[in-house]
Formats: sequence, C-alpha cells, structure tokens
Amino acid sequence: KAGVTQTPRYLIKTRGQQVTLSCSPISGHRSVSWYQQTPGQGLQFLFEYFSETQRNKGNFPGRFSGRQFSNSRSEMNVSTLELGDSALYLCASSYQTSGSTDTQYFGPGTRLTVL
Amino acid sequence: TQLLEQSPQFLSIQEGENLTVYCNSSSVFSSLQWYRQEPGEGPVLLVTVVTGGEVKKLKRLTFQFGDARKDSSLHITAAQPGDTGLYLCAGERSGSSYKLIFGSGTRLLVRP
Repeated sequence: KAGVTQTPRYLIKTRGQQVTLSCSPISGHRSVSWYQQTPGQGLQFLFEYFSETQRNKGNFPGRFSGRQFSNSRSEMNVSTLELGDSALYLCASSYQTSGSTDTQYFGPGTRLTVL
Repeated sequence: TQLLEQSPQFLSIQEGENLTVYCNSSSVFSSLQWYRQEPGEGPVLLVTVVTGGEVKKLKRLTFQFGDARKDSSLHITAAQPGDTGLYLCAGERSGSSYKLIFGSGTRLLVRP
C-alpha cells in the first residue's frame, strides 16, 4: 500500500504571497490532519478533515485554511505569507473510527521557505 | 507553554549505552504515542500506550505510561547508531479539539 504523499516537497515563496500544499492519504483512510513543524515551536496541530468536513482545529490564524475532497485528498492554503510561516508542513492520514485511538501515518512533509 | 514537556532536549551518547527520555504533563491523556523522525521524513509511530501503568517493549525500546496517564518514558537499552533521530511524544486528550499534542522532542545522537 502506498504511503502518504505530499506535494510539492520544497517550496520557496515571498512575503505576501499565498501557497497551496497537497496531501494524498493512504488508500482507504478518511481522516487527514495537518501539522506545522518549526525548530522553535515543534510540531503543532493545524486542523483535521474527515469526510470533507473540518472536524478539529488548532490555534492558528485564519490565514491557514484547508479542505478535503471526496477522494479524501486534502489541500491546505496559507494566504498573505509571513516570514514566520517558514516551516515543515506535515500531513497525516488515519482510518479513524469515531472515539477510537487512532494511528496516524505521516507523509514526508513540504518544506516551505518564505523570503 | 508546552503542554507536554520532553527531557532531555538533546542527548549524545556512545554506542552500547542506555538512555531514558521523559515526557511529562500536568494534564491527563487518553493515550500517548511515541514517534521517531529522521531528517527529511515525517514522524513514524513507534508505540501507543493507553492504560495507566502500561509497559510496552519493542526490541531494545521500553515504553511506560504513568499510572495517572500524565507522563511517559522511553528507555533504550544498548543504543545503536541506527537509533539516532528525533524522538517525539504525542498525547491525545478526550474532548479536545486538538488531534494530537506533541512534545518538543528529544534529539538523540548515538556515536559509533
């Protein structure tokens, strides 16, 4: 079974631009979560999508948004980029049955650099 | 303030030595997971502990969940260079809007 794939792997943008990152979950997985990883703050939860609906949300500004398609693929968008948005953005998928402890499988991440 | 505190932040040891990494919180978690992350890759799940006091072993790695489900430890026996990486603990809280709360990580270097 193919793992979680993320595209692109590397991205360089300038301040004020917007960016869209893509995540393809493991086949059959319905939940997709996004995380931001930086040296200073570590791994922080952005949001989770399940069956095309945002189910959970972390403490990030509205510039960070996402969506999930009917095939469970997900995208996240960051508008009006700031230098502090430079980070590794990780996507994780899981099968997720409601109320159960879940195993999340992470993709390799997209390294975003904002200049 | 980090909800999950990991210690130590960095650890450099010689091959064959033993080590313990700690993950502490004042909050109760319904489960706690340990991941290892290598450069250029996403975290890979090592183990999930669910029951207070639970101990799980994975070859030379021993994981323990505290009785009160607020803390956990990872012990590695006879470390090898292949154990080098970033070790992350992550907690799941019932009723929380956060999917997983991660600790700050412990960067381990095992020198041959």
